[in-house]
Amino acid sequence: DAGVTQSPTHLIKTRGQHVTLRCSPISGHKSVSWYQQVLGQGPQFIFQYYEKEERGRGNFPDRFSARQFPNYSSELNVNALLLGDSALYLCASSGGGETQYFGPGTRLLVL
Amino acid sequence: EDQVTQSPEALRLQEGESSSLNCSYTVSGLRGLFWYRQDPGKGPEFLFTLYSAGEEKEKERLKATLTKKESFLHITAPKPEDSATYLCAVQGDGAGSYQLTFGKGTKLSVIP
Repeated sequence: DAGVTQSPTHLIKTRGQHVTLRCSPISGHKSVSWYQQVLGQGPQFIFQYYEKEERGRGNFPDRFSARQFPNYSSELNVNALLLGDSALYLCASSGGGETQYFGPGTRLLVL
Repeated sequence: EDQVTQSPEALRLQEGESSSLNCSYTVSGLRGLFWYRQDPGKGPEFLFTLYSAGEEKEKERLKATLTKKESFLHITAPKPEDSATYLCAVQGDGAGSYQLTFGKGTKLSVIP
């Protein structure tokens, strides 16, 4: 069975640019969460979507936004990129229980 | 606000030398405590979910236990392939109850 998939795997952007990251959940899972992980730290919660509705938002600026599509896939958008946005961006899906299953991540480098 | 503290930050073990990793947490009401394994540059791999004090779960050389304030991940006779960062996370039942709050992780190195 396919796990959570994310694209792209790596991305290099410059300050001020915009980026879109994509995630496909495990088949049958209706909830998608996004996390940011900087080097040496644990993942930090950004958003959770369930049935296309935002169910939770972490302590991130309005430059971060997300949406979920009818097929339950999701996009994370970040505007006006800063050097500090360089991180591993993780997507996780859950199927109704509490356990979240993570994808491989997208490594974003902002120069 | 939910908080998770993991110790030690790093642990070096000889192959076969058993040890434990600690996860201390504060949460308004625990919906679940989670252990993940993360290899460098990869996403976290799910290991265990624990729901209530006294619960234990095992998988190969790993055993996770839970009390009201902390969880332990016991590693019995580790092998080099167990080298990774182990992450602990909690999900509370307060505001924002669907998010996971993670600790910084314990980086485990198992030397042949």
